[in-house]
Amino acid sequence: QVTLKESGPALVKPTQTLTLACTFSGFSLSTTGMRVSWIRQPPGKPLEWLARIEWDDDKIYSTSLKTRLTISKDTSKNQVVLTMTDMDPGDTATYFCARTRLGTGYAFDIWGQGTKVTVSA
Amino acid sequence: QSALTQPASVSGSPGQSITISCTGTSTDVGGYKYVSWYQQHPDRAPQLIIYEVTNRPSGVSNRFSGSKSGDTAFLTVSGLQAEDEADYFCTSYTNIATLVFGGGTKLTVL
Repeated sequence: QVTLKESGPALVKPTQTLTLACTFSGFSLSTTGMRVSWIRQPPGKPLEWLARIEWDDDKIYSTSLKTRLTISKDTSKNQVVLTMTDMDPGDTATYFCARTRLGTGYAFDIWGQGTKVTVSA
Repeated sequence: QSALTQPASVSGSPGQSITISCTGTSTDVGGYKYVSWYQQHPDRAPQLIIYEVTNRPSGVSNRFSGSKSGDTAFLTVSGLQAEDEADYFCTSYTNIATLVFGGGTKLTVL
């Protein structure tokens, strides 16, 4: 069974750096075609794709947030980490990680439950 | 990359069919077969219902179908049921290897 679970602080202050972890099971990020993305959803608003890391360690970022994001993976821990610098109240959202596998295009076939992050002083 | 355009809301009666559009450009929807659709119930994670424009994952009802014409993709839900009431999002791969989501459509079953 494939699962993903996000973890990180529920509250961060403006200007701080957010670090989120996505811990997964049931697949290996070393397998050709596997990808993990981070996606966020502000309260009552649409989904926004943030970043993706691929099985070969290629990393792709949202053009609008590229300067603030870093994505990395620890294959031995089955974990993908996202850092976002200079947090702002506008970054308040539920942050999801999701898997993409070979044969489904770039679709997110399995999602984590999401973790809520509030940015406030 | 601008968000894909979806209608804010659609509605239909039980048993009817509805179609949700998702309009992009030649650099995303029009240029690739990598359009997918997601269903999201309140306070839940999204669930994949269509990938690569027309394909349904195992376990997804065949009442959901997808298509594309030019820069616009479509999700059709036939035989509407109360449980279909949810938000629906499209997403597409883009010419710069990013992904872009639509603004979401709220489906109301009357």
